[in-house]
Amino acid sequence: EAQVTQNPRYLITVTGKKLTVTCSQNMNHEYMSWYRQDPGLGLRQIYYSMNVEVTDKGDVPEGYKVSRKEKRNFPLILESPSPNQTSLYFCASSFGQGVGETQYFGPGTRLLVL
Amino acid sequence: AQSVTQLDSQVPVFEEAPVELRCNYSSSVSVYLFWYVQYPNQGLQLLLKYLSGSTLVKGINGFEAEFNKSQTSFHLRKPSVHISDTAEYFCAVSDHGTSYDKVIFGPGTSLSVIP
Repeated sequence: EAQVTQNPRYLITVTGKKLTVTCSQNMNHEYMSWYRQDPGLGLRQIYYSMNVEVTDKGDVPEGYKVSRKEKRNFPLILESPSPNQTSLYFCASSFGQGVGETQYFGPGTRLLVL
Repeated sequence: AQSVTQLDSQVPVFEEAPVELRCNYSSSVSVYLFWYVQYPNQGLQLLLKYLSGSTLVKGINGFEAEFNKSQTSFHLRKPSVHISDTAEYFCAVSDHGTSYDKVIFGPGTSLSVIP
């Protein structure tokens, strides 16, 4: 089944404790992206990657890191989480990065930083 | 810069009644437009999209949307809603940038279908 998977789905942590949220897609998509969803703000892009070893900042990159060592994986790293990073996070992928491509979303990771 | 406005944050509607979810965007260039749906505790999935051609776009689950360039709108409609349509709906616009098509999402509209 074609899908985007994220782990963990739910995470409670404390301020400053490094964490990684994994994202994997099995559709051989070139483009991958991370979003955070907050009430009343919709989805805001954190980072994106147009291919292996190619990543770039989105609208809200502060406090986050990413890497793209393999085409299928795009982990999101919070080196020192803070309470303002409490949010719902989505990973997405698409075949290309242009011409109105449809993005396929993972199920989301709900993060609470105490 | 691109922006997307969804005027209604919450829309309650009775089952089998029609519904319209409004979306307006700002852009100085040609755009691609999308509607995504997010069912409870799930990720987003594409309902429909407008790339070019006919301004009336039909999507999954009986939804359709009409692109109105003069009013910069892309409202979503369904003639008769079902309980299973209860979800969050996001309008999105694709910005034709120099390197890739950046997608801007609206704040979302929560549709609640009342039995």
